[in-house]
Amino acid sequence: QVQLQESGPGLVKPSQTLSLTCTVSGGSISSGSYYWSWIRQPAGKGLEWIGRIYTSGSTNYNPSLKSRVTISVDTSKNQFSLKLSSVTAADTAVYYCARLDILTGYEQFDPWGQGTLVTVSS
Amino acid sequence: QSVLTQPPSVSGAPGQRVTISCTGSSSNIGAGYDVHWYQQLPGTAPKLLIYGNSNRPSGVPDRFSGSKSGTSASLAITGLQAEDEADYYCQSYDSSLSGSFVVFGGGTKLTVL
Repeated sequence: QVQLQESGPGLVKPSQTLSLTCTVSGGSISSGSYYWSWIRQPAGKGLEWIGRIYTSGSTNYNPSLKSRVTISVDTSKNQFSLKLSSVTAADTAVYYCARLDILTGYEQFDPWGQGTLVTVSS
Repeated sequence: QSVLTQPPSVSGAPGQRVTISCTGSSSNIGAGYDVHWYQQLPGTAPKLLIYGNSNRPSGVPDRFSGSKSGTSASLAITGLQAEDEADYYCQSYDSSLSGSFVVFGGGTKLTVL
């Protein structure tokens, strides 16, 4: 049973870079049947897709965040990471990592990590 | 404002049937992209409920069903139970000049009366 766990600072200052890591357990991140994604959810609001990465390092980002986002993968540690630069209070949210399953021929997020709250404040 | 439009809230009594709509456009659902549904119980991460428009992952009760037609999709819940009270999100892809990207609906809060 694959499990994902987010980790990183819970507080980031405005204008700085938010950095989070997702550790995958119970399976290899190098499996060719999956992408690995980041999704966020501001308090009381809906879900916003941030981007995804394939094990080859190929990435796709939400056009609205593309200029500030970098997603990378470390297959030796079975981890992938998110960097979001020049953060403001609007970036305060619960950040989820999730596996984008393409094995079924569709592309759905399953499973998800438990989420980690990141607050942007001085 | 979400690319996919969902009603903010729906409600129903135990045992009843409710439906949640997800309305898109010709650049997402209408372009043939599949729709997936997620259930988010209070204080927890979203969980996959329906994938590929109408498929249930193992462990999801058959009270939950999904459908897609044209530029819209729907999630139906029959035999409503108190434990179904949650937020529900639809998800698909949208295509633009820079490629395709994931989009979510704004979410629907289901209240079991």
